[in-house]
Amino acid sequence: DVKVTQSSRYLVKRTGEKVFLECVQDMDHENMFWYRQDPGLGLRLIYFSYDVKMKEKGDIPEGYSVSREKKERFSLILESASTNQTSMYLCASSIQYEQYFGPGTRLTVT
Amino acid sequence: SQKIEQNSEALNIQEGKTATLTCNYTNYSPAYLQWYRQDPGRGPVFLLLIRENEKEKRKERLKVTFDTTLKQSLFHITASQPADSATYLCALSEGQLTFGSGTQLTVLP
Repeated sequence: DVKVTQSSRYLVKRTGEKVFLECVQDMDHENMFWYRQDPGLGLRLIYFSYDVKMKEKGDIPEGYSVSREKKERFSLILESASTNQTSMYLCASSIQYEQYFGPGTRLTVT
Repeated sequence: SQKIEQNSEALNIQEGKTATLTCNYTNYSPAYLQWYRQDPGRGPVFLLLIRENEKEKRKERLKVTFDTTLKQSLFHITASQPADSATYLCALSEGQLTFGSGTQLTVLP
């Protein structure tokens, strides 16, 4: 079974803090994704990566950056957290079409 | 503008009945469409993929149709069970996946 793990299930941070969300997959997938999910808005793509050290902007990249130094690990960075970044963050990986999601990190920025 | 609409935010049905969920889209020409299930506090789980040249796909009690003329996909769960209660998301692919906001299905015993 594909396993996608995320470093924290719940996280509370203060405005202005730098926040790191980690995602690891164990199936040697090329593609990895970061989404945020908000009520009524569905999942929105923040960034994705097709290979190590490669990154592409999704629909809502502002205020975020990513890092992919190893194939299995894809990190999402909030450079200076703001309250409008309070959300559920979901990481996913894929080899072709279907995406495998992690359990999510519920981030609250106060 | 591009839009994906899932028929309603919540749908309640009686156990044993067929649940039908709708996904409509505008200003997309997707190569394929996927359906996912999401339980509270968890990430989505892939259920089915249907390509633009396929009319229908089945998997056990699940059936998906895809009408590119109507720009609509229907997702059916036959002989529904309380364990089918979850939020169901449709997702279109034009390159990257774009997700609808989901329909919360409750199957009442």
